[in-house]
Amino acid sequence: NAGVTQTPKFQVLKTGQSMTLQCAQDMNHNSMYWYRQDPGMGLRLIYYSASEGTTDKGEVPNGYNVSRLNKREFSLRLESAAPSQTSVYFCASSEAGRDFYEQYFGPGTRLTVT
Amino acid sequence: AQSVAQPEDQVNVAEGNPLTVKCTYSVSGNPYLFWYVQYPNRGLQFLLKYITGDNLVKGSYGFEAEFNKSQTSFHLKKPSALVSDSALYFCAVRDRDTGGFKTIFGAGTRLFVKA
Repeated sequence: NAGVTQTPKFQVLKTGQSMTLQCAQDMNHNSMYWYRQDPGMGLRLIYYSASEGTTDKGEVPNGYNVSRLNKREFSLRLESAAPSQTSVYFCASSEAGRDFYEQYFGPGTRLTVT
Repeated sequence: AQSVAQPEDQVNVAEGNPLTVKCTYSVSGNPYLFWYVQYPNRGLQFLLKYITGDNLVKGSYGFEAEFNKSQTSFHLKKPSALVSDSALYFCAVRDRDTGGFKTIFGAGTRLFVKA
């Protein structure tokens, strides 16, 4: 069981470039999430997918798009990267969203936008 | 609105001493409460959660937390700290009545355990 995997681990982009962060889980979880982690701010939810075929905005969705490709995979796309999107990005999954289930996190992607 | 406060950026404790990492929360309904730990260059790992029932919750690696409804707190504790406990700890809350899918995380508390 790999749990939650993310690619790439590191990325440097120039302002205006685009990229997609990939996430996959092998725990048969229904719900998946994308967070960003910035110093002193904890984790902030960007988008989530309650179940396959659905996606919804979180706290900080501007500048991002997501795709729930199937039950296993949930990708995050930056269409035109900005320096304010420099952050560490975490994907997570849980058995269900609207409940007491804990989340399982991937190892993160460290993104720098210059 | 939901919120979580971790009032200490950093907690220092000597190995073998008890440790406490503080967390207070605000929700309009009833809370689900969680603690996660993050080691350097890793994702968050689940430690323990409060759902309902007994206010004292036991979790992984000897950690426990006490839910106090009147003080809206959920402090993380361990009777005897280890150097390997040094990490970043996050408290998180979900409002079970109105929060939907949103889990709010605190800013994190860095724990240093000195040998």
